[in-house]
Amino acid sequence: QKEVEQDPGPLSVPEGAIVSLNCTYSNSAFQYFMWYRQYSRKGPELLMYTYSSGNKEDGRFTAQVDKSSKYISLFIRDSQPSDSATYLCAMTGGPVAAGNKLTFGGGTRVLVKP
Amino acid sequence: DAEITQSPRHKITETGRQVTLACHQTWNHNNMFWYRQDLGHGLRLIHYSYGVQDTNKGEVSDGYSVSRSNTEDLPLTLESAASSQTSVYFCASSPGTGSGNTIYFGEGSWLTVV
Repeated sequence: QKEVEQDPGPLSVPEGAIVSLNCTYSNSAFQYFMWYRQYSRKGPELLMYTYSSGNKEDGRFTAQVDKSSKYISLFIRDSQPSDSATYLCAMTGGPVAAGNKLTFGGGTRVLVKP
Repeated sequence: DAEITQSPRHKITETGRQVTLACHQTWNHNNMFWYRQDLGHGLRLIHYSYGVQDTNKGEVSDGYSVSRSNTEDLPLTLESAASSQTSVYFCASSPGTGSGNTIYFGEGSWLTVV
């Protein structure tokens, strides 16, 4: 079993709908959680960064972390065709500079149809 | 703006040849990473460096090497290219601590070994 599980999709939604993405993980030591967006033939781009549990909002994007359930979510409100991409979750247990490496989910492909 | 650049973006090489992929970042980050991304495997860490003259093996380091002679550059060398190394390669860097405890990716280098 992978340390971080993410449904590969594709997840197809109509324009304007809420996109709901999630990852589950098994390592209770993870404390730092990230979401990346990756367009086709591009590098992953950092979208959201959260530490420990709770919610974080940035524009149309909301990230939630539930450490008790080992579950993180990303919500995209008022989805646009430009949101069509692969979304990767990533997490780590401590500072990168102290030897903690990111563990990535496999990514969920999202299609927002006009 | 500070950035991370990779070159070449696309390369076709023959089995057995030595190939070097360049990575240059202008953020002055101490931490740099090389990943490969493949369908079914996601992002896998090849090598990483926490500073000048420091290099470390990741989970898929066989057949690859890196060197870190300055803060800005972390070239990745495939010593004798194999078809199994056909992939897209991403360089990344991280400030490593605090709210910067995440990594930022380059645009990728697509390598085909024939």
